[in-house]
Amino acid sequence: ETGVTQSPTHLIKTRGQQVTLRCSSQSGHNTVSWYQQALGQGPQFIFQYYREEENGRGNFPPRFSGLQFPNYSSELNVNALELDDSALYLCASSLAGEDTQYFGPGTRLTVL
Amino acid sequence: QQQVKQSPQSLIVQKGGISIINCAYENTAFDYFPWYQQFPGKGPALLIAIRPDVSEKKEGRFTISFNKSAKQFSLHIMDSQPGDSATYFCAASGGSNYKLTFGKGTLLTVNP
Repeated sequence: ETGVTQSPTHLIKTRGQQVTLRCSSQSGHNTVSWYQQALGQGPQFIFQYYREEENGRGNFPPRFSGLQFPNYSSELNVNALELDDSALYLCASSLAGEDTQYFGPGTRLTVL
Repeated sequence: QQQVKQSPQSLIVQKGGISIINCAYENTAFDYFPWYQQFPGKGPALLIAIRPDVSEKKEGRFTISFNKSAKQFSLHIMDSQPGDSATYFCAASGGSNYKLTFGKGTLLTVNP
């Protein structure tokens, strides 16, 4: 059984650019959730994907968007990057209908 | 509105002592309460979780105590070890998309 993996590990972008982060869910898991964790804070829910559709969204603007693929992997896209987007972006996978979420190691995004 | 309040913000315990971290929630729709452990540069790892139908759950040195009427739950780490030094997050979820709402975290330091 493989765990949740994310790529890249680190990323540096400048304000106004666009970024794509990737996540492979744990084997057998069909639901992916994305969280943003600012330094010294708890993770904040961005959105969740199930069956390739968004299934719930947190308080994030539309420039945060996502995709889920038939193999359950997922992408998080952020357009028009702002300095406050600098954070650790976490992906969590789970089985639909079950509460337990397993997190990946995260992608550290720095916006200059 | 912070739906899950966690305290203390930081905690220093001697090796062999008991570490206690507390959380309070507001949303009565929450029905799943996990605790996560996070080391620097890593994603959160699930430690233990509880549902409101039980008042206590124990796994090894980790125990969750749950008080439904007070809307509070706590993590007790018995025989704390230096390797337990990490940031601990309580979380809660409930509803159709199982999004996790996290507390702000507690930085635990266990001195040798």
